[in-house]
Amino acid sequence: NAGVTQTPKFQVLKTGQSMTLQCAQDMNHEYMSWYRQDPGMGLRLIHYSVGAGITDQGEVPNGYNVSRSTTEDFPLRLLSAAPSQTSVYFCASSLSVSNYGYTFGSGTRLTVV
Amino acid sequence: KQEVTQIPAALSVPEGENLVLNCSFTDSAIYNLQWFRQDPGKGLTSLLLIQSSQREQTSGRLNASLDKSSGRSTLYIAASQPGDSATYLCAVIGDNNDMRFGAGTRLTVKP
Repeated sequence: NAGVTQTPKFQVLKTGQSMTLQCAQDMNHEYMSWYRQDPGMGLRLIHYSVGAGITDQGEVPNGYNVSRSTTEDFPLRLLSAAPSQTSVYFCASSLSVSNYGYTFGSGTRLTVV
Repeated sequence: KQEVTQIPAALSVPEGENLVLNCSFTDSAIYNLQWFRQDPGKGLTSLLLIQSSQREQTSGRLNASLDKSSGRSTLYIAASQPGDSATYLCAVIGDNNDMRFGAGTRLTVKP
């Protein structure tokens, strides 16, 4: 099993550009979520999904969109990149949050200039 | 809103010491608590998961305890090694399945 796969690993964007961060898991996990990690602030939840077709906002959703058309994929879209979105982004998934907790991808380091 | 605090923010110890990392949370209505390890520039590796009905979990030299009523968890590392150097993150999972993280404790174990 590949686990949770994130692409790309690194990305540089210009202010105002849009892009999609990809996240895929091959473990048939229902729960998927996106976090951003900033120095001194820990990880903060952006959006999450409890199953295909269902998404909801986390702590810091502004400037980001998500969709969940399949169980496997949970892409994160930056609509118009801003320097404040420079961060490391992590995708996570879980089969049963109460029993197994979350499995994380290796992250995407995004720089907006 | 759930808030998670980890103390200390950084810790440096000589090899061989036993050490305790602390995590506190404000809302005791949690499903479970998960401890992670993060190496510089890397993703998160799950260390231990404690369900809300459990008091502790053990894996090798690691032992994590949970006291829901007081909103506290500790991660105990026995006989620390330089390879244990990393940032340790505590996260609580609430009843809507969202996970809230502490800012982490950066551990350095000196040879």
